[in-house]
Amino acid sequence: RKEVEQDPGPFNVPEGATVAFNCTYSNSASQSFFWYRQDCRKEPKLLMSVYSSGNEDGRFTAQLNRASQYISLLIRDSKLSDSATYLCVVSLGGYNKLIFGAGTRLAVHP
Amino acid sequence: EAGVVQSPRYKIIEKKQPVAFWCNPISGHNTLYWYLQNLGQGPELLIRYENEEAVDDSQLPKDRFSAERLKGVDSTLKIQPAELGDSAVYLCASSFSKASGQFFGPGTRLTVT
Repeated sequence: RKEVEQDPGPFNVPEGATVAFNCTYSNSASQSFFWYRQDCRKEPKLLMSVYSSGNEDGRFTAQLNRASQYISLLIRDSKLSDSATYLCVVSLGGYNKLIFGAGTRLAVHP
Repeated sequence: EAGVVQSPRYKIIEKKQPVAFWCNPISGHNTLYWYLQNLGQGPELLIRYENEEAVDDSQLPKDRFSAERLKGVDSTLKIQPAELGDSAVYLCASSFSKASGQFFGPGTRLTVT
């Protein structure tokens, strides 16, 4: 079983749609959680950290459920520029050793 | 501020040949990471340096892979000899400390024929 599992997609959505990605992790000792974004043939970039109480950054909302060991990312009012692969990332502590999921691909169309 | 610099960006070699990748981290970043990313997968850590010390190389295939960061700044990752299965993107990342965010370089795309 992979340490971090994601639906690979692709999720094909029209502009303005709301889309949600889920991710599950296997190590209950995981302490830190993140979403990274990776554009085609580019490097991963930190999108946002995920906090236990849930957190929001503009159109993006991240949630963490420690009991069920899953993380979610909600994107509201999708833009064409949101098209990318979204990587779910967990760590046993801080940013030290990041474990990446395989990513979920999002394609937003006009 | 300049980001993480990697070279070359692309490399094509024949199997059994050696290859080396170079990384220059963001100025002042003491922690440096090398990752491998296969197509359709997330990055996987190969080695992490704190200054010039390799503090986590448990995932580095030591029979053919080696890395160094002699002066605690730039770093080189080497494969000798390369195998077909080594075709992947090799990403370098750096952070100010192990407790701060990682910034990735553009990667080196290796093709072994």
